[in-house]
Amino acid sequence: KQEVTQIPAALSVPEGENLVLNCSFTDSAIYNLQWFRQDPGKGLTSLLLIQSSQREQTSGRLNASLDKSSGRSTLYIAASQPGDSATYLCAVKIWQGGKLIFGQGTELSVKP
Amino acid sequence: EAQVTQNPRYLITVTGKKLTVTCSQNMNHEYMSWYRQDPGLGLRQIYYSMNVEVTDKGDVPEGYKVSRKEKRNFPLILESPSPNQTSLYFCASSLEASGGTKSSYNEQFFGPGTRLTVL
Repeated sequence: KQEVTQIPAALSVPEGENLVLNCSFTDSAIYNLQWFRQDPGKGLTSLLLIQSSQREQTSGRLNASLDKSSGRSTLYIAASQPGDSATYLCAVKIWQGGKLIFGQGTELSVKP
Repeated sequence: EAQVTQNPRYLITVTGKKLTVTCSQNMNHEYMSWYRQDPGLGLRQIYYSMNVEVTDKGDVPEGYKVSRKEKRNFPLILESPSPNQTSLYFCASSLEASGGTKSSYNEQFFGPGTRLTVL
């Protein structure tokens, strides 16, 4: 059974720091992995999607990497800003059309 | 604007009173899904639909029904709500084109959520 874990559960950093959020999954046979951002009481905003054949994706200050063999993905946030404060969720999909299996999320707080 | 909409956004109801949460997407997506989010349990899939008239159970389907009569709409029906269905509900959609490997085909987009309280 595929399980997704995100550590740490919460992270607090000063503004301007570069940071890495971690996501691990137990079964390397995934179709894709998607990173989301969730603001308190709000919906999920898709940040980056990495297909199983890809190693990384970049969007602005965000870079997500995927290492299927080790069951890991990282989300790198450069030059963090207070506006980056949110909960970050990673989710894997095992097959096309299948459900997303979510981690519990990392709650990020960026202090001014 | 491409989006997934849900209504209502907030709902307080009583046990046993049938309710429907609507979900609509304007992106011509084939795949639609419902999730619920609970503290400590994360997001779990309730039902999903690969296309019109094609629906299937997710991980936690008990107490819920869905229908997919049109491509854009995927309502979630609670025939007899109970307090354990108090949760934050999200609808999601994606293109999921057959044989498509382009990332954008598989990216799931989520609605703003419906916070349901069953007393």
